[in-house]
Amino acid sequence: EPEVTQTPSHQVTQMGQEVILRCVPISNHLYFYWYRQILGQKVEFLVSFYNNEISEKSEIFDDQFSVERPDGSNFTLKIRSTKLEDSAMYFCASSERFGNPGTWSYEQYFGPGTRLTVT
Amino acid sequence: AQTVTQSQPEMSVQEAETVTLSCTYDTSESDYYLFWYKQPPSRQMILVIRQEAYKQQNATENRFSVNFQKAAKSFSLKISDSQLGDAAMYFCAYRSAEGAQKLVFGQGTRLTINP
Repeated sequence: EPEVTQTPSHQVTQMGQEVILRCVPISNHLYFYWYRQILGQKVEFLVSFYNNEISEKSEIFDDQFSVERPDGSNFTLKIRSTKLEDSAMYFCASSERFGNPGTWSYEQYFGPGTRLTVT
Repeated sequence: AQTVTQSQPEMSVQEAETVTLSCTYDTSESDYYLFWYKQPPSRQMILVIRQEAYKQQNATENRFSVNFQKAAKSFSLKISDSQLGDAAMYFCAYRSAEGAQKLVFGQGTRLTINP
């Protein structure tokens, strides 16, 4: 069964460093998302991406964050200058459109997450 | 903006018993989807069950079923014949039906299964 993959599973970085989190969505999916979960808290939406551009972003997704689909398979999240409060689990998700006109569904499939630790 | 509230931070149940997790949401939309996700200690997000708001019939998936009350904006998850493997965090989530929208999650309920 196709699945979303994410690398690395755990990333440790020093404050102020740049990190790139990588995701390989399911191959025929066209919609991509990043979410984050600070330990012990709920999952929060960061950004959605479609047709090589951002569809929606949350207030969390400030200028320190960027997303890219560099090669048609990978979907990356870059944090330019990490802060302690960026420590969290980052989930990538992808979806496709299926169903019938008027009742299209966009089921999101999640990757296993990348645990980012900023020291 | 839509919000999702899970008022039970923790729940516990005896193995083989039935437990119900509560979720309420707030929206002005008439068409949307509701989900329950399971997050075991591995922290992987696993879809448990989905409900379309336009369907009156409650969704069921084996031992998992929902009680969807659209007027009350309530969406509870019932787990029957609880098993040790059901122990996890459970998140209720909302998604607008219009387009490929983001998921809005509740705070989660930690479910413990007592042997």
